[in-house]
Amino acid sequence: GAVVSQHPSRVICKSGTSVKIECRSLDFQATTMFWYRQFPKQSLMLMATSNEGSKATYEQGVEKDKFLINHASLTLSTLTVTSAHPEDSSFYICSARDPQRASYNEQFFGPGTRLTVL
Amino acid sequence: GDSVTQMEGPVTLSEEAFLTINCTYTATGYPSLFWYVQYPGEGLQLLLKATKADDKGSNKGFEATYRKETTSFHLEKGSVQVSDSAVYFCALSLSNTGNQFYFGTGTSLTVIP
Repeated sequence: GAVVSQHPSRVICKSGTSVKIECRSLDFQATTMFWYRQFPKQSLMLMATSNEGSKATYEQGVEKDKFLINHASLTLSTLTVTSAHPEDSSFYICSARDPQRASYNEQFFGPGTRLTVL
Repeated sequence: GDSVTQMEGPVTLSEEAFLTINCTYTATGYPSLFWYVQYPGEGLQLLLKATKADDKGSNKGFEATYRKETTSFHLEKGSVQVSDSAVYFCALSLSNTGNQFYFGTGTSLTVIP
């Protein structure tokens, strides 16, 4: 149980285009999902917290107009990188909390999406 | 603030060697502690966890004990294998921060035959 998927796993796009990444909780309902960004050989940086049915909470320094997050259902959150540029190239990872396991403060991570902007 | 400090890498070991990766934390409350492993090109997989002081998490031969007195959660394995080569992340989560995770910088482990 507690499986999180991401789609696509890899995407290459041209500079100036927008890319949407999906994060799904497959076997549980996730009231809260998190989006992280990971640069090569570095740790994960939290970008935003996504709550179902409300606006995402962005971390300081993350452009909310560039990284659009939508959490329209209890099993799906999307991250859209708008007008992508080469510096947006990175590994994006989502995670989700299972409210049934909230007492363990645990998050379940997706496999990540490798974005390359040419 | 809340944070995790993790042993710098990279670490290179011979097969069957003993592994220790140090992790210490700073937290304002009572965190849950985790070790995650990331294989090349993949996302994070939970390796083990501990939710309260003196708990020992274990999985696949790896162990870590939640030490409140030293604020540590060191990862150990008695005999590493080539397949253990990966990046290991120590992390904490606090319920009073909405379960936000604080990650260490990661330690790259390479095990050579």
